[in-house]
Amino acid sequence: ETGVTQTPRHLVMGMTNKKSLKCEQHLGHNAMYWYKQSAKKPLELMFVYSLEERVENNSVPSRFSPECPNSSHLFLHLHTLQPEDSALYLCASSHQRENTEAFFGQGTRLTVV
Amino acid sequence: DQQVKQNSPSLSVQEGRISILNCDYTNSMFDYFLWYKKYPAEGPTFLISISSIKDKNEDGRFTVFLNKSAKHLSLHIVPSQPGDSAVYFCAASADNFGNEKLTFGTGTRLTIIP
Repeated sequence: ETGVTQTPRHLVMGMTNKKSLKCEQHLGHNAMYWYKQSAKKPLELMFVYSLEERVENNSVPSRFSPECPNSSHLFLHLHTLQPEDSALYLCASSHQRENTEAFFGQGTRLTVV
Repeated sequence: DQQVKQNSPSLSVQEGRISILNCDYTNSMFDYFLWYKKYPAEGPTFLISISSIKDKNEDGRFTVFLNKSAKHLSLHIVPSQPGDSAVYFCAASADNFGNEKLTFGTGTRLTIIP
């Protein structure tokens, strides 16, 4: 248990569906991240929120839409995904500007059919 | 272009022996390096880190070595235990990002043979 909780753990959705991934942390961190892990590829950073403002968007398609309503919660809204978007989506949090490690959630295994 | 590379996708080591996992990087701006361990169906968990001002950091059975001139780091686990079987990710960040933007390698699957 790292203190970062992601729900759901598994999600199967059709290409026309809309779904959301949720991430929650109560570690007092002020930065939160979404990562994507595809098979045989490095972990890819998707979005960074620092102090509830998006500071990084790594050329992620608009069918992925993040939301950070407060420093403890982070969402990833999904719509009209493609099968190649099937992957493990990991949320992480850290304390900005301290040289401390990021804590990861357990991930959501997403399958797009 | 992959800035952090783990060239060995898998490694098998006898229990009690030393496990050595390697990582190379290309971005000279990286100045903080981390190792994460990942079990199946779980997110990565932090293992050990090293700042570029050091060349070695030790924590119990785990030691990370950094060779800045070669842009290479390694993780040594000794003695290796069956519970160490997992996928190990090397990660790097550059301080000027100030927000822990980590670049990860593809991981090395370590199997400890009893």
